[in-house]
Parts: sequence; structure tokens; C-alpha cells
Amino acid sequence: KQEVTQIPAALSVPEGENLVLNCSFTDSAIYNLQWFRQDPGKGLTSLLLIQSSQREQTSGRLNASLDKSSGRSTLYIAASQPGDSATYLCAVRKGNNDMRFGAGTRLTVKP
Amino acid sequence: NAGVTQTPKFQVLKTGQSMTLQCAQDMNHEYMSWYRQDPGMGLRLIHYSVGAGITDQGEVPNGYNVSRSTTEDFPLRLLSAAPSQTSVYFCASSTGQGWTPLHFGNGTRLTVT
Repeated sequence: KQEVTQIPAALSVPEGENLVLNCSFTDSAIYNLQWFRQDPGKGLTSLLLIQSSQREQTSGRLNASLDKSSGRSTLYIAASQPGDSATYLCAVRKGNNDMRFGAGTRLTVKP
Repeated sequence: NAGVTQTPKFQVLKTGQSMTLQCAQDMNHEYMSWYRQDPGMGLRLIHYSVGAGITDQGEVPNGYNVSRSTTEDFPLRLLSAAPSQTSVYFCASSTGQGWTPLHFGNGTRLTVT
């Protein structure tokens, strides 16, 4: 059974810092890995999707990497802003009935 | 473009009552799914559908029913609500198979007393 772990559970940083969020998974036979952002009381917003054949994806200040062999993905946020404060979740997809989510990292960026 | 729309946003039920959570998408997505999110846990898949007339169980299907009569709609039915079903429920959709991103609704917060 796929297990997805996100460490740390919470992170607080001053504005302007570069930061890395971690996601690890136990089964490397995946279709893709997706990073989401969740604001309080809201749904999940897709940030980046990395296919199993890819190593990284970039969107603006965000960069996500994938190392399938070690079961790890990182989400790098450059020059963090207070508006980046949210919970970040990763999810690995193996099939239509097999998408596993991590519990998330709650990020606070202080002005 | 509305994306994925869930109703209601909030609901309180008494134990034993039944209700239907609505989910609609306007992106012509074949794949739709329901998740529940509980504190400290990741989202867990309840049921999913790969097209109209086709549904299947996910990780935690007990106590829930689904149907898919149209491409756009995928309602989730609670047959006899229990306090253990207190949770936030999310509907998600995507095109095609497993290599496309999921799009989520804003969720329904359900409390069963």
C-alpha cells in the first residue's frame, strides 16, 4: 500500500526566504505526482504536475522535482511572500482508484 | 468557466439521516471522484467514475453510494449518516487517464450529530 509522508507538518519563515517542502512515498510505480495548495476553508488548487518520466516542473517561483527511485519529491518556493501562506499537499497517482495524499505542510510566511 | 461546483457548502445532519452531496463539472471531464479530508490525515478516495454509467469503489466506500447518469454530475449519497462521517468532502475531476491533473471543488463541510 502506498504511503505518502510530508515533512515538516508545519513551517514558519520570514518573507523573502527560499524554502523547500518535502514529500516521500513508498511505492515508486506511479503515473505522476501532483503538488496542491489549500487555503483555509477552500478546495485544492493544482500547482504542479510531474509525470513519472519527468524530473522536474517549474511555474513562476515554484519548482518541483521528482526522484522516483528514492521515492522523493521536493517543492521549492523562491522568495517567499505572505500570500504563499497555505497548506501544501502532495499526491501520487498510480491509477484511477489509487491516488494517495500526504497530510500536508502548513506554511506561514511572516511579513 | 465554473470548473467543479459542490453544493451545499455546509450541512448538519442527525445520526441516521440521509442526504446527497452534489458535484457538477463543466469541463467535459470523463473522470470524477469523491474524497474525504479528516484532520491530520491526507485525503482519502471514497468512490470514482471513469465515465457516465461507470462507477467504482475507492479506499473508504462504506456508507456511501454514487451514480453517474451524465458526464457533468456525480452525486454522493450518505445512506444513514453516522458521526464517523463528519468530515470535509471534496469532489474532483480530470480528463482521460492518470496523467492529467485533478481539479477540485471547494468542498462540503458535513457534521453528523
